[in-house]
Amino acid sequence: TQLLEQSPQFLSIQEGENLTVYCNSSSVFSSLQWYRQEPGEGPVLLVTVVTGGEVKKLKRLTFQFGDARKDSSLHITAAQPGDTGLYLCAGTPSGTYKYIFGTGTRLKVLA
Amino acid sequence: DTEVTQTPKHLVMGMTNKKSLKCEQHMGHRAMYWYKQKAKKPPELMFVYSYEKLSINESVPSRFSPECPNSSLLNLHLHALQPEDSALYLCASSQGGRGGSTDTQYFGPGTRLTVL
Repeated sequence: TQLLEQSPQFLSIQEGENLTVYCNSSSVFSSLQWYRQEPGEGPVLLVTVVTGGEVKKLKRLTFQFGDARKDSSLHITAAQPGDTGLYLCAGTPSGTYKYIFGTGTRLKVLA
Repeated sequence: DTEVTQTPKHLVMGMTNKKSLKCEQHMGHRAMYWYKQKAKKPPELMFVYSYEKLSINESVPSRFSPECPNSSLLNLHLHALQPEDSALYLCASSQGGRGGSTDTQYFGPGTRLTVL
């Protein structure tokens, strides 16, 4: 079974703090996506990473794809209450056609 | 335009009712998906349509019946559901639907379904 394990599962931090969310697998991915989802809404795409070692920045969010394309991380600088939500990584393991989601990281940023 | 729309936003139905969920995209995507999501869990894949043909059914009970009338529309017909089927139902689409770098999925806002 191909899995995408995310850590931590839950994170509650104060406004202004930094944090990193990890997404790990034993499988190689041709690309990985990161989504943020708010309660009762659909996941909203944040970024797609494609190349091993790639780093992408989206304002205060920095995404990295591992050199071997088996893992990814999301770093948030100076978190704000608006960053609160469920963060999901997802992708299709190489050699398969099934799109799978990570186990999710629930972030709460307190004002 | 990266919008996927879903109707209705909320649906309450009894176990004997028949209802349908609708999904639409105009991005020219050739793959469309139905997911079920329970509270505080990641989405679980139900069905995949690729080029308007059902390509994946993740052993979903027959009380859920998908339909793809054309490349822009996806329906999910519901009949004789159980209370445990209450969940957020998400529709998504992607450019190619066969993996690779074109497999980024774009999600609709979901339909919150409650089965009484």
